[in-house]
Amino acid sequence: DAGITQSPRHKVTETGTPVTLRCHQTENHRYMYWYRQDPGHGLRLIHYSYGVKDTDKGEVSDGYSVSRSKTEDFLLTLESATSSQTSVYFCAITGLITDTQYFGPGTRLTVL
Amino acid sequence: SQQGEEDPQALSIQEGENATMNCSYKTSINNLQWYRQNSGRGLVHLILIRSNEREKHSGRLRVTLDTSKKSSSLLITASRAADTASYFCATDARSGGGADGLTFGKGTHLIIQP
Repeated sequence: DAGITQSPRHKVTETGTPVTLRCHQTENHRYMYWYRQDPGHGLRLIHYSYGVKDTDKGEVSDGYSVSRSKTEDFLLTLESATSSQTSVYFCAITGLITDTQYFGPGTRLTVL
Repeated sequence: SQQGEEDPQALSIQEGENATMNCSYKTSINNLQWYRQNSGRGLVHLILIRSNEREKHSGRLRVTLDTSKKSSSLLITASRAADTASYFCATDARSGGGADGLTFGKGTHLIIQP
């Protein structure tokens, strides 16, 4: 998995609670991404980062925030979780060829 | 909005046969990539083809790209049970390249029957 870990791997939470997912890389790559995967939608980009403290929104960023205080860590926060945010969340980094992405194992989040 | 759309959504073939899946996209691209996802796992990069390339090979994989039709195909030859997975095409936004994220299709679920 190209030196990418995600934590937690599974989480069940209740509507209205804040949730933070962590992506950690050991590759020292500049670019990191958060996607969500839902049946019938494929993967959709939530946010991405192009450097420490440099982030931008993706296609489905509403209800999510991100932070990157260190090169190796990219955090995704659901400020107030809703049932529509039940999904599998994948972190990705770019390799030496910028356009090729390497994915973490995913976090399955259930919001009750 | 979905940039790439795979076709068919599901495909079931016998082991040893060839599997072909297609991808169509809407806007100009710098490159197109194919990824595989085994059940419950993350995506694994298979192959990248640039907009100025028409065909690319990697082992049992053959990818074609037709930019005039905005379509690509992935051929897996001599399929094996281990090829059972979902396959996704992904494109970049031409202006930003892949650095600002990829747009994925919904995937083709391939089942290889023994």
